[in-house]
Amino acid sequence: KNQVEQSPQSLIILEGKNCTLQCNYTVSPFSNLRWYKQDTGRGPVSLTIMTFSENTKSNGRYTATLDADTKQSSLHITASQLSDSASYICVVSFKTSYDKVIFGPGTSLSVIP
Amino acid sequence: EAGVTQSPTHLIKTRGQQATLRCSPISGHTSVYWYQQALGLGLQFLLWYDEGEERNRGNFPPRFSGRQFPNYSSELNVNALELEDSALYLCASRPTGTVGEKLFFGSGTQLSVL
Repeated sequence: KNQVEQSPQSLIILEGKNCTLQCNYTVSPFSNLRWYKQDTGRGPVSLTIMTFSENTKSNGRYTATLDADTKQSSLHITASQLSDSASYICVVSFKTSYDKVIFGPGTSLSVIP
Repeated sequence: EAGVTQSPTHLIKTRGQQATLRCSPISGHTSVYWYQQALGLGLQFLLWYDEGEERNRGNFPPRFSGRQFPNYSSELNVNALELEDSALYLCASRPTGTVGEKLFFGSGTQLSVL
């Protein structure tokens, strides 16, 4: 069964601290994996994209990793800020003749002062 | 450049009524996706329209329907509303033929069924 799992479900950290969010998937055939950030009451916004051949990609304080062998990805946030409080969603795309993606359930991150 | 716009922002209906949600994609984008996000849950795929045609449909009952207009804007209709239809409905768009490319989301319509 094609699915995407994320952990933890929720996380609370102090401002300035680092954190790592996890994503495991069983999607096949795999095309790419994206991390989206969704602020409360808003639509998700793409942070990074990882393809099969990429291991690490950074976008400012966000660093995503991908292990295509174990089908795991992580999103590391460095020096967290209050504005990082959001839901982080892992989304995996299929490599098929039509467009299909699967959304993970998301990790709710709260950064507190 | 304007992003994906959705209307209304909030919609309150009673059980059994019908709801119509609207979406305007980014200019030049011909693919429109609809997702349902119930409180505390992940996004569930509803419908995908591309160049006026329904391309794929999620695991939702037939009372969830929609259409895409010649200008690529889209409408989601929910008939015979049930309490569990209360959710944030998100619309996303991207250009045709960009499989795996990022989706651009609107801010959603918060539907409350009383």
